[in-house]
Amino acid sequence: DAGVIQSPRHEVTEMGQEVTLRCKPISGHDYLFWYRQTMMRGLELLIYFNNNVPIDDSGMPEDRFSAKMPNASFSTLKIQPSEPRDSAVYFCASSFGRTYNEQFFGPGTRLTVL
Amino acid sequence: QKEVEQDPGPLSVPEGAIVSLNCTYSNSAFQYFMWYRQYSRKGPELLMYTYSSGNKEDGRFTAQVDKSSKYISLFIRDSQPSDSATYLCAITLSASKIIFGSGTRLSIRP
Repeated sequence: DAGVIQSPRHEVTEMGQEVTLRCKPISGHDYLFWYRQTMMRGLELLIYFNNNVPIDDSGMPEDRFSAKMPNASFSTLKIQPSEPRDSAVYFCASSFGRTYNEQFFGPGTRLTVL
Repeated sequence: QKEVEQDPGPLSVPEGAIVSLNCTYSNSAFQYFMWYRQYSRKGPELLMYTYSSGNKEDGRFTAQVDKSSKYISLFIRDSQPSDSATYLCAITLSASKIIFGSGTRLSIRP
């Protein structure tokens, strides 16, 4: 298996633009997580899905952020409109069976909002 | 108070030294304890996982949990330059989201 796949790897955009980050989890995994990592706040859980259903979105910073998982092999995280403070590395991770089982992380998307 | 506290470092030690990394947590109900390792510009990867108080050993790595003090540790023996990375502790309740520490940046000097 290729592991968790994220695209794009780097994104530079201007304030106010819409940003869409994509994730393909490991085949067979039933949990999918979106994290954001910054120097100031560390690794923060934004939202997680179980069997394509959002379970906990309490980490989503505000209404500008939305996430979807239309099927077991694809998820998106959208920011609209983007702001400079959204600049961070966004990770997608997947796991099987339980939330505390080993999470396999993707390589991350480095987002810069100018 | 943060649910998980971790000294961000950086921590720099000579090759071959014993490294001690630590986290404290606030909720005594936490049950599962993990250490993830993150190399520069990569995603975190699971290093150690433990459920109960006590020690768990895997090669040069030992994870220690003290539930009475709400304190978890990771020890690295005979540290190598390849161990240079950021180490994140992670804890959770059953069927609940994982909470990560802020990470400790470790550098092993050859």
